[in-house]
Amino acid sequence: EVQLVESGGGLVKPGGSLRLSCAASGFTFSSYSMNWVRQAPGKGLEWVSSISSSSSYIYYADSVKGRFTISRDNAKNSLYLQMNSLRAEDTAVYYCARDSPYDVWGQGTTVTVSS
Amino acid sequence: EIVLTQSPATLSLSPGERATLSCRASQSVSSYLAWYQQKPGQAPRLLIYDASNRATGIPARFSGSGSGTDFTLTISSLEPEDFAVYYCQQRSNWPDTFGQGTKLEIK
Repeated sequence: EVQLVESGGGLVKPGGSLRLSCAASGFTFSSYSMNWVRQAPGKGLEWVSSISSSSSYIYYADSVKGRFTISRDNAKNSLYLQMNSLRAEDTAVYYCARDSPYDVWGQGTTVTVSS
Repeated sequence: EIVLTQSPATLSLSPGERATLSCRASQSVSSYLAWYQQKPGQAPRLLIYDASNRATGIPARFSGSGSGTDFTLTISSLEPEDFAVYYCQQRSNWPDTFGQGTKLEIK
């Protein structure tokens, strides 16, 4: 079964850091670009970052550029998002998603930034 | 950045009726337009990609059309499980962007 499972979310104070992980299974992870998409409470979907299959190409939304870092470990079938200098407006459910269009999604992990 | 505008914001229909959802792009996205369905507490699910292609496992009552700047998602006969929020998304120009969503609710 093709599956993505996120972890690492939680409650963090403004200015803090968090590292999200996404474990992939059931497909050849190293063949696909991967993405992070977030959804603030009661709001729509926002693309956050993308990484190509070999990590050669990396893109960020302007809202997170310079604060977030996407990476992947193809040997471990895992995707990561290092989030630094977190702000209240980063509060959201964070989804990892395969390829574009996003044909496989994880269940999401919740990040809450609050003092 | 390409802005996608979905209409209506809310659509109230009954099971068995036909639903027509619209997505308009601020500039041409060719056919690089996808549709997603999201139910409360769940991740989005890909329904349609490249404007008119159904994703794997998507029922035939879902269809997509359009190109350039104007796109439509049609649900031919609504089933109870179809009531959800629908988003369009473009991948023609970086960055990928989403519409604000259309909530399809039971009348």
